[in-house]
Amino acid sequence: AQSVTQLDSQVPVFEEAPVELRCNYSSSVSVYLFWYVQYPNQGLQLLLKYLSGSTLVKGINGFEAEFNKSQTSFHLRKPSVHISDTAEYFCAVSELNAGNNRKLIWGLGTSLAVNP
Amino acid sequence: EAQVTQNPRYLITVTGKKLTVTCSQNMNHEYMSWYRQDPGLGLRQIYYSMNVEVTDKGDVPEGYKVSRKEKRNFPLILESPSPNQTSLYFCASGIFGGSTEAFFGQGTRLTVV
Repeated sequence: AQSVTQLDSQVPVFEEAPVELRCNYSSSVSVYLFWYVQYPNQGLQLLLKYLSGSTLVKGINGFEAEFNKSQTSFHLRKPSVHISDTAEYFCAVSELNAGNNRKLIWGLGTSLAVNP
Repeated sequence: EAQVTQNPRYLITVTGKKLTVTCSQNMNHEYMSWYRQDPGLGLRQIYYSMNVEVTDKGDVPEGYKVSRKEKRNFPLILESPSPNQTSLYFCASGIFGGSTEAFFGQGTRLTVV
């Protein structure tokens, strides 16, 4: 069964520094990949997604992610973070299940804390 | 505006008192789902629905019920809430099982005392 591992539960970083949030998944058969962000006291919103095509995906707020099939990874990056990027980030994988339906499998989240 | 609306946002209740959390979406999505979010456990799916009158269990369905009588609504029912159901609940909708994107409500913080 598919599993999603976010390798860091917490990432502290200084403002304007680059950041990488790491995500690995277990199976690359027919997967779609997502990063969601959850700001304090809010629901989740989509940052970016990979369905097919170019392995480098650009999302909102200056974030990007690279799909690496051989390493089954989908790491999220931003070259220069702002205080407002402080949030919880979730990696998710959509895979076909036995009933030929797609199901989202979620990582446990990475808490990004941007300090001044 | 495309959105998923949950009500209430906050709820404190007592053990055993039936409650319903409502969820409504205005995007004509076939797929809807309920999750609970707990510290250290991430998002866990409770129930989902592929279309009207079609519902199925997620990973943690015990103690919950759902119904899908209309496409836009997907209420979550706790017939006899217990303290271990204290959690943050999210409703989500999508075109097809999250294959392109899931849209989330703002969340309902439930406390059962």
